[in-house]
Amino acid sequence: GAVVSQHPSRVICKSGTSVKIECRSLDFQATTMFWYRQFPKQSLMLMATSNEGSKATYEQGVEKDKFLINHASLTLSTLTVTSAHPEDSSFYICSARDRGMSTNTEAFFGQGTRLTVV
Amino acid sequence: DAKTTQPPSMDCAEGRAANLPCNHSTISGNEYVYWYRQIHSQGPQYIIHGLKNNETNEMASLIITEDRKSSTLILPHATLRDTAVYYCIVRVGYSNSGYALNFGKGTSLLVTP
Repeated sequence: GAVVSQHPSRVICKSGTSVKIECRSLDFQATTMFWYRQFPKQSLMLMATSNEGSKATYEQGVEKDKFLINHASLTLSTLTVTSAHPEDSSFYICSARDRGMSTNTEAFFGQGTRLTVV
Repeated sequence: DAKTTQPPSMDCAEGRAANLPCNHSTISGNEYVYWYRQIHSQGPQYIIHGLKNNETNEMASLIITEDRKSSTLILPHATLRDTAVYYCIVRVGYSNSGYALNFGKGTSLLVTP
């Protein structure tokens, strides 16, 4: 299947600093990528939809100025957690769909990024 | 999207078939049933999906009832590596812009030796 790669897989940062997470589709082009967040023992929650060449669409309750999303190319989307606080510690996961595939095909997920803010 | 109901947890002995049920009684005619799983501290992995016919691939089989109000994911010979949280998601097929997936709480499957 198609491969989606996230980097880094783990990051520890100090409170107040910013962290950038990359999501790459390695063997396909993705006009749309999705960013999810998962707290311990909970399910994945959609944070935002990242569209290539345009502004991201954020879910209700997600601060767009805190979670900056850039989707500058068909293979790369980045999520920057600005002024991180301990409550931002979570597992961040991206997913993408191959734009060349027909409808109803599956989405592919990155391996996730474990963010710990200390 | 139609809501799904799954048991919170299940156990299965290694080598036996694991049958994971999902209720989706409010499913509409154009909604597909997708199954994903998430092994601890990893991203979700696609397993299988279907509309109304039963489906089988190298990982699993998907049995959808005739009225489409429920389905069962079957792992024919469960291994310890199949221990994961399994998510049943009902969703219209992706448009060209692509739809996100709404993950419920899923079923935590424990495969025991």
